[in-house]
Amino acid sequence: DAKTTQPPSMDCAEGRAANLPCNHSTISGNEYVYWYRQIHSQGPQYIIHGLKNNETNEMASLIITEDRKSSTLILPHATLRDTAVYYCIVRFWGMTTDSWGKFQFGAGTQVVVTP
Amino acid sequence: GAGVSQSPSNKVTEKGKDVELRCDPISGHTALYWYRQRLGQGLEFLIYFQGNSAPDKSGLPSDRFSAERTGESVSTLTIQRTQQEDSAVYLCASSGQPNQPQHFGDGTRLSIL
Repeated sequence: DAKTTQPPSMDCAEGRAANLPCNHSTISGNEYVYWYRQIHSQGPQYIIHGLKNNETNEMASLIITEDRKSSTLILPHATLRDTAVYYCIVRFWGMTTDSWGKFQFGAGTQVVVTP
Repeated sequence: GAGVSQSPSNKVTEKGKDVELRCDPISGHTALYWYRQRLGQGLEFLIYFQGNSAPDKSGLPSDRFSAERTGESVSTLTIQRTQQEDSAVYLCASSGQPNQPQHFGDGTRLSIL
């Protein structure tokens, strides 16, 4: 699976949009981009994923560049409860279930939302 | 319940003892993962079960670690002759079809005295 690079930390003001970058310059055509977050003392929580089109759900938006070498997770209106470590992961999807890649978590970005 | 269930939630044991951790995945999920997370660190992949395929054991740190899964149900992670460096939170996750993400349990916090 391709490696990802994220900034180690970032701060965001409550109520403002948080834009979390992720670099995955070696991504291949069959690798999807996933975002998870982990709030202290809890298991990681799925946020969103995509292949090449931008995606939006009730939690966030995912913007993937046209060359797919980077992506940005957008939390539109950050709240104090969004303080967490955010992980960007790429994962291979093959045509058969036994070719699916495993999820490999890096160090993530520690996001602190301040009042 | 509908989520991934792990037991026990906390385990304290003496160095040298064997421990067994249990994971009940979401019903119908074909993939199951084990991770280790040391204090203040990221998730470290341990092992991955996918349906009836041979498990990917590439993340197991030593031969003291082993895991089993019966069909598409319960999995157990066993650590033999525990060492203090095994102290960590052990997380289990499961996933279903290709367009579905992983769902994590709340983990087992293992402390080796």
